[in-house]
Amino acid sequence: SQTIHQWPATLVQPVGSPLSLECTVEGTSNPNLYWYRQAAGRGLQLLFYSVGIGQISSEVPQNLSASRPQDRQFILSSKKLLLSDSGFYLCAWRSGTGVSNEKLFFGSGTQLSVL
Amino acid sequence: RKEVEQDPGPFNVPEGATVAFNCTYSNSASQSFFWYRQDCRKEPKLLMSVYSSGNEDGRFTAQLNRASQYISLLIRDSKLSDSATYLCVVNRNYSYKLIFGSGTRLLVRP
Repeated sequence: SQTIHQWPATLVQPVGSPLSLECTVEGTSNPNLYWYRQAAGRGLQLLFYSVGIGQISSEVPQNLSASRPQDRQFILSSKKLLLSDSGFYLCAWRSGTGVSNEKLFFGSGTQLSVL
Repeated sequence: RKEVEQDPGPFNVPEGATVAFNCTYSNSASQSFFWYRQDCRKEPKLLMSVYSSGNEDGRFTAQLNRASQYISLLIRDSKLSDSATYLCVVNRNYSYKLIFGSGTRLLVRP
């Protein structure tokens, strides 16, 4: 069966510090991978998605970047965090078959607080 | 106008009540529809897919109305454990992007 791992669960970082969040998927190949952010009491905002190694699509201009160095690894990074980067970050995957009704599955999330 | 809209609630209902949420979508090219449940500070979890013919899973029934561009979720015999935020999700055909609504909060009281 497929599983998705995301870490760390919580992170407190000072403004201006770098960020690296990692997500890995097991039990599947060539998944579509996603990074979402959820501000407190708000909906999910799609940040990045990837349909293959090295292929990253950015949804909103921001202080963050993403990379996919391996098929089942997705990394979210920042060189210098801003206060506005605080939020609940969620990695997700779905089958890469291209069928639109494929379901999306989430990692357990990282609560990031930038102080 | 948001592509997917939901009433934020909260819907405050007693145990045993029946409650229904609607979700409207603006893009007629939308092809796939889902309901997710999210508990506070947790990841969203798939509750059910929504098919054209409607589908039922225990106390939960989901329906799609393409003509009016909305989907619905009906919860019968509400339990305290049903308290959560319910997210409506829409996927356009041939798109990698799933669009999430902001969620409807449900509170079930004893």
